[in-house]
Amino acid sequence: GAVVSQHPSRVICKSGTSVKIECRSLDFQATTMFWYRQFPKKSLMLMATSNEGSKATYEQGVEKDKFLINHASLTLSTLTVTSAHPEDSSFYICSASSDRGQDNEQFFGPGTRLTVL
Amino acid sequence: DQQVKQNSPSLSVQEGRISILNCDYTNSMFDYFLWYKKYPAEGPTFLISISSIKDKNEDGRFTVFLNKSAKHLSLHIVPSQPGDSAVYFCAASVGNAGKSTFGDGTTLTVKP
Repeated sequence: GAVVSQHPSRVICKSGTSVKIECRSLDFQATTMFWYRQFPKKSLMLMATSNEGSKATYEQGVEKDKFLINHASLTLSTLTVTSAHPEDSSFYICSASSDRGQDNEQFFGPGTRLTVL
Repeated sequence: DQQVKQNSPSLSVQEGRISILNCDYTNSMFDYFLWYKKYPAEGPTFLISISSIKDKNEDGRFTVFLNKSAKHLSLHIVPSQPGDSAVYFCAASVGNAGKSTFGDGTTLTVKP
């Protein structure tokens, strides 16, 4: 299958700081990556679609200035949580599509647990 | 308004028996459905999918059934094994844009 990694796996930061999360496709090129946020016992909430070389497409209700997404290469997308606050604490997961998969199949990273103190 | 719903947050079955996980959707534009399995501290992994042109897809112990008129799909696992214990997410998409809408997940526990 296709492998997606995320870094860091866990981060704790102080309120007001910014945190960058990296999502990499290790053995394939991903023109499109997706960023999700998951609350405890809830579904994966799609935050934005990250397109290589262009601006991300944000879902309704997601602040683009708060959650900055950059997809600078075919193997790397980054999510920066700016001026993080405790309510931003969550599990963030990225995914990517690959032509190795089934139609609409996404390959997910392991996720990043963000805790804002 | 949640477009994909998994009304059972948890399910417990005995090893060797059948597990049936259910999923309902409201958006009639959805034409492709997927099931993902997720272990703690890991990202979801693809399990099985079905296109709206079919009503059944089988892969080993896993079978997905789709009832378009009822906007309902289900995942059957038989026989269930302890290693199947995980959270199962139902997802739906429109066309092949890659973007999917997920349900809240059902935690399956298979008891030895």
